[in-house]
Amino acid sequence: GAVVSQHPSWVICKSGTSVKIECRSLDFQATTMFWYRQFPKQSLMLMATSNEGSKATYEQGVEKDKFLINHASLTLSTLTVTSAHPEDSSFYICSARFPAEETQYFGPGTRLLVL
Amino acid sequence: GEDVEQSLFLSVREGDSSVINCTYTDSSSTYLYWYKQEPGAGLQLLTYIFSNMDMKQDQRLTVLLNKKDKHLSLRIADTQTGDSAIYFCAESIGNYGQNFVFGPGTRLSVLP
Repeated sequence: GAVVSQHPSWVICKSGTSVKIECRSLDFQATTMFWYRQFPKQSLMLMATSNEGSKATYEQGVEKDKFLINHASLTLSTLTVTSAHPEDSSFYICSARFPAEETQYFGPGTRLLVL
Repeated sequence: GEDVEQSLFLSVREGDSSVINCTYTDSSSTYLYWYKQEPGAGLQLLTYIFSNMDMKQDQRLTVLLNKKDKHLSLRIADTQTGDSAIYFCAESIGNYGQNFVFGPGTRLSVLP
């Protein structure tokens, strides 16, 4: 199956700093990638849809200036959490749309802890 | 709006069959999916079914789709301890079916 990687797996940062998370499709090209947030023991919440070469589409209630998304190539999307605060601590998961199968393949997730 | 519902917990004995149920609301969903999430990990695609099918089998996994009732189920035969995880049902929505709506997840516990 298709493989999606995320980096880093874990990040701990101080309040007020910015954190960048990378999402890569390793063996296929993804024109569309998705960023989700998952709280403990809850389901995934879609934050935004990232389209290669264009602006991301954010879900209602997600601050686009807070969560900057850049999809500069067909294999890489980045999520930058700007001026992170403790309430931004969460598990962030990306996925990439695999066109031939109309499916999404997920990365392993990035756990962010803001102190 | 779109909504996907699942029971939150299921316990079975090792070797028994597990059946995880899901209901969804968007009748225009093109595909329906089952994902597995182990602790601290991302989601692993288990299987998916096209909306014009009513059954799909893949080794120990059987997916049943009742489109009239908007009901999807995942049956795991000969459940093993390694099957313990959270199972998410998802439907694809939107003009191009590219957005997924996930259920809350069913936590499957396999008892020895």
